[in-house]
Amino acid sequence: DAGVTQSPTHLIKTRGQQVTLRCSPKSGHDTVSWYQQALGQGPQFIFQYYEEEERQRGNFPDRFSGHQFPNYSSELNVNALLLGDSALYLCASSLAGHYEQYFGPGTRLTVT
Amino acid sequence: AQSVTQLGSHVSVSEGALVLLRCNYSSSVPPYLFWYVQYPNQGLQLLLKYTSAATLVKGINGFEAEFKKSETSFHLTKPSAHMSDAAEYFCAVIVTGTASKLTFGTGTRLQVTL
Repeated sequence: DAGVTQSPTHLIKTRGQQVTLRCSPKSGHDTVSWYQQALGQGPQFIFQYYEEEERQRGNFPDRFSGHQFPNYSSELNVNALLLGDSALYLCASSLAGHYEQYFGPGTRLTVT
Repeated sequence: AQSVTQLGSHVSVSEGALVLLRCNYSSSVPPYLFWYVQYPNQGLQLLLKYTSAATLVKGINGFEAEFKKSETSFHLTKPSAHMSDAAEYFCAVIVTGTASKLTFGTGTRLQVTL
């Protein structure tokens, strides 16, 4: 049973560029949440997708956007990258109506 | 708004000693509480969860936590530390009835020494 997978593992981008991160949920899960974890901090909620719609959003600017596909996989897009966007981006999947979230290994984004 | 506070950003114990990692929550409604562990350069692994059933919750790797409403606490314990327990531990809360947004504490780094 495959767990949550994320790609790529690492990414280096230049300030001002755009980036797309990808996530495949655990088998049987239909809800995907994205979190940003800055160095030395706890993860911060970005947004959650269910039935291909953004269901809830954290305190992040519109530069952060997402998408969920019919197969429940998801993408996180960040435009106009800032140095402060450097972080570990974590994807978590869950089943609607259940509170347990299972995390992927993350994508380490470095903005130079 | 709900939140969790983890007391102690770093905890050091000897191998075989008791592990106690502290977490206090703030919520106006019954919360669901979680402990996650993060090993270096990895994602988060769920250790255990409290979802309003038994107040003493047992998790993986010998860890357990007790929900104490009167103290608004959900401390994580393990009777005997092992070197492999060295990692970052995060307490998190979800407010029941919401769209399951996890709010995390700032984490506690556990060091285990010989």
